[in-house]
Amino acid sequence: DIVMTQSPDSLAVSLGERATINCRSSQSVLHSSVNENYLAWYQQKPGQPPKLLFYWASTRESGVPDRFSGSGSGTDFTLTISNVKAEDVAVYYCHQYYTTPDTFGQGTNLEIK
Amino acid sequence: VQLVQSGAEVKKPGSSVKVSCKVSGGMFGGYAFRWVRQAPGQGLEWMGGIIPIFGTTDYAQKFQGRVTITADESTTTVYMELSSLRSDDTAVYYCARAEIVVENSLYMDVWGTGSTVTVSS
Repeated sequence: DIVMTQSPDSLAVSLGERATINCRSSQSVLHSSVNENYLAWYQQKPGQPPKLLFYWASTRESGVPDRFSGSGSGTDFTLTISNVKAEDVAVYYCHQYYTTPDTFGQGTNLEIK
Repeated sequence: VQLVQSGAEVKKPGSSVKVSCKVSGGMFGGYAFRWVRQAPGQGLEWMGGIIPIFGTTDYAQKFQGRVTITADESTTTVYMELSSLRSDDTAVYYCARAEIVVENSLYMDVWGTGSTVTVSS
């Protein structure tokens, strides 16, 4: 199974500042034949289901503010939230769909400082 | 599109639970449907999925033999049945729609409301 490891586990950021969440996979999730990274990011607020933010590592889902950006390739990926707002408080998960079983990172809890 | 799941269940250890996921407002064919669970205070765990148009299922090794995922195209409903329940199966169970390419499931773009299953004697 591909192991997904996020860092940090928890992050406290001041309003208006930048938050950076990292995700590392135990093997590459880059599908060379299509040159796409099989990596997604989700946001989960308390009491709600996860919400898709990015797929193919950097393709923003419709309706996601452009304050959010996804980057990386191969085994190392980053979710960046610029100008953090109070509404961004949530747990963020990365997810690889390169091969089954699908696996998720353990989650990163974003709080406001 | 919405995925509306069945309500909360309380089950005894050793019994089974069947959770439904009604797909409305969008296409049923042409997508995969996955099941992901979340134990209290924990992260997300993929259990398995089905691609109705191909009639194929896949399951996480951890749940092999205990989980069965089915789909009823006539009612656009997906089901997940988990048997031999244990206390550590207590969790919120989510269904999610996934894009597909060929016969491979991709990212999950629409999630269900979640169904809480509590296993307790």
